[in-house]
Amino acid sequence: GAGVSQSPSNKVTEKGKDVELRCDPISGHTALYWYRQRLGQGLEFLIYFQGNSAPDKSGLPSDRFSAERTGESVSTLTIQRTQQEDSAVYLCASSLRPTGPYSGNTIYFGEGSWLTVV
Amino acid sequence: DQQVKQNSPSLSVQEGRISILNCDYTNSMFDYFLWYKKYPAEGPTFLISISSIKDKNEDGRFTVFLNKSAKHLSLHIVPSQPGDSAVYFCAARDIPGGGNKLTFGTGTQLKVEL
Repeated sequence: GAGVSQSPSNKVTEKGKDVELRCDPISGHTALYWYRQRLGQGLEFLIYFQGNSAPDKSGLPSDRFSAERTGESVSTLTIQRTQQEDSAVYLCASSLRPTGPYSGNTIYFGEGSWLTVV
Repeated sequence: DQQVKQNSPSLSVQEGRISILNCDYTNSMFDYFLWYKKYPAEGPTFLISISSIKDKNEDGRFTVFLNKSAKHLSLHIVPSQPGDSAVYFCAARDIPGGGNKLTFGTGTQLKVEL
């Protein structure tokens, strides 16, 4: 498709269960990002993949969170043993490789996966 | 440590008037800044950006101003339209320190009233 595609769009899960969220980036985009937005808060960085480089995992809030990306395509964000505070919209985004400092390339977001932990 | 701050959670403006959204940052290594707009139940959409080597960028009704010495940027929308009502996020990038990932502010809810 033309844009970043995420699935599922909505997920309700019981506390303690594992969830997987999927992201299909824009074709040709080497960079992929996961963010989340909890109710009433800003966008919180989780993890960043750039080509074959080691991912930047500095934003993952705990070891219950992990993400994988196969090459320059699909990514999966996994949350194990979900807690109520994990309830949020999880946003995936993608972009081309940055051309360097002071020049930009736009990061495009998907519609998000709305996760509710009950 | 909030490196990008949007101190006004909300702003209300009359249709046709100017909307000014503000953003402050603390990291002097930020080299690129962006504004995103977000409607409820949708992902953020890119609006306008500016490189740290410039002080102004204009695109139609939208202009972004950057004051590096003050570590401050602002988004001007003129004239404001009801369809501009959304949450606006300021974002910044630090390539040496963080690659192409963006650090976002907490957003400002803009309401344009008739």
